[in-house]
Amino acid sequence: DAGVIQSPRHEVTEMGQEVTLRCKPISGHNSLFWYRQTMMRGLELLIYFNNNVPIDDSGMPEDRFSAKMPNASFSTLKIQPSEPRDSAVYFCASSRPDRVYGYTFGSGTRLTVV
Amino acid sequence: QKEVEQNSGPLSVPEGAIASLNCTYSDRVSQSFFWYRQYSGKSPELIMSIYSNGDKEDGRFTAQLNKASQYVSLLIRDSQPSDSATYLCAVKNSGYSTLTFGKGTMLLVSP
Repeated sequence: DAGVIQSPRHEVTEMGQEVTLRCKPISGHNSLFWYRQTMMRGLELLIYFNNNVPIDDSGMPEDRFSAKMPNASFSTLKIQPSEPRDSAVYFCASSRPDRVYGYTFGSGTRLTVV
Repeated sequence: QKEVEQNSGPLSVPEGAIASLNCTYSDRVSQSFFWYRQYSGKSPELIMSIYSNGDKEDGRFTAQLNKASQYVSLLIRDSQPSDSATYLCAVKNSGYSTLTFGKGTMLLVSP
């Protein structure tokens, strides 16, 4: 299995620009999560999808952030407009509903907003 | 608000020693607990899970859970320099399949 695939690996953008992060979960995993990691706040859950349906988006910082999962093999996280405080590493993770397993994380996207 | 607390470290141990990493959590009804290892610049990877009170061993790693005290720990025996990483404690939230992570403890194993 190729694991959870995220793109791009690095993104540098100017304040005010739109940023789109992409994720392909592991085949057969029906839960998908977007997390953001910073030194100050650690790993924070942004949104959780189950069977392509958003279940908990209480961690999405504000209306500038939106996430979609149009099918079982693809999800996007969009920031519009981006701000310097959005600079972080954004991780996508997927999991099976089996209690034995935790998440499998993608390699992350390091976002820098200048 | 659900919280998972860890000492940020760094925890420094010599090669061959036992490293002890600790974690406390606030959600009394939590049932599933995980330890992730994250190397610098990499993504977290799952190393241990524990669901019942007591100890669970996997190779050089032992996870310990005490639900009454809301305490989880990870012991690493015969620590190696390759164990140097940040260790994240995670608690599965009741109801949802989401995890709340601690900020992690950095472990440094010196040769």
